[in-house]
Amino acid sequence: AQRVTQPEKLLSVFKGAPVELKCNYSYSGSPELFWYVQYSRQRLQLLLRHISRESIKGFTADLNKGETSFHLKKPFAQEEDSAMYYCALIAAGNKLTFGGGTRVLVKP
Amino acid sequence: DGGITQSPKYLFRKEGQNVTLSCEQNLNHDAMYWYRQDPGQGLRLIYYSQIVNDFQKGDIAEGYSVSREKKESFPLTVTSAQKNPTAFYLCASSIRLDNEQFFGPGTRLTVL
Repeated sequence: AQRVTQPEKLLSVFKGAPVELKCNYSYSGSPELFWYVQYSRQRLQLLLRHISRESIKGFTADLNKGETSFHLKKPFAQEEDSAMYYCALIAAGNKLTFGGGTRVLVKP
Repeated sequence: DGGITQSPKYLFRKEGQNVTLSCEQNLNHDAMYWYRQDPGQGLRLIYYSQIVNDFQKGDIAEGYSVSREKKESFPLTVTSAQKNPTAFYLCASSIRLDNEQFFGPGTRLTVL
């Protein structure tokens, strides 16, 4: 069965510093990978998907099939990036599987 | 976002009482889901439904029940058998089971 691991429960960085949220997955096929974000008092929403290969709010994520990773990166963190982030995977024919989540705190 | 509503936003119940949380969507999605979110524990799947009149247990179904009589609606009942019902409950939907999910605003249940 597929599994998504986010090793950091909490990531604390200063404003302007780079931030990288780690996501590793276990699945032998070709997965679809996503990052969801939940800002304070807002609903959980899709941040980006790997097939789009786009940058959203300055965040990018690259699928590394060799390392089975999909880390989320932003070169210069902003205070408004403080939120809960979930990595998620869809394996063929199956529902979305979420990682345990990483809380990001950007300090001024 | 939008298209998925949950009510109420806050719910208080006495211990031992059953309570039903509402989830409605007008996105014409076939699949719907219920998650529980606790601090430090991420999202945990309670139940999901692939299609009307069908639903499956998730990872933590004990003490919960659901129904899916209409495509638009997927209510969750938290029964008195649920040992720790106080939590934030999220409903989601997707076009099909293997598609990205869209989430509702959540219901915070507090059992006194």
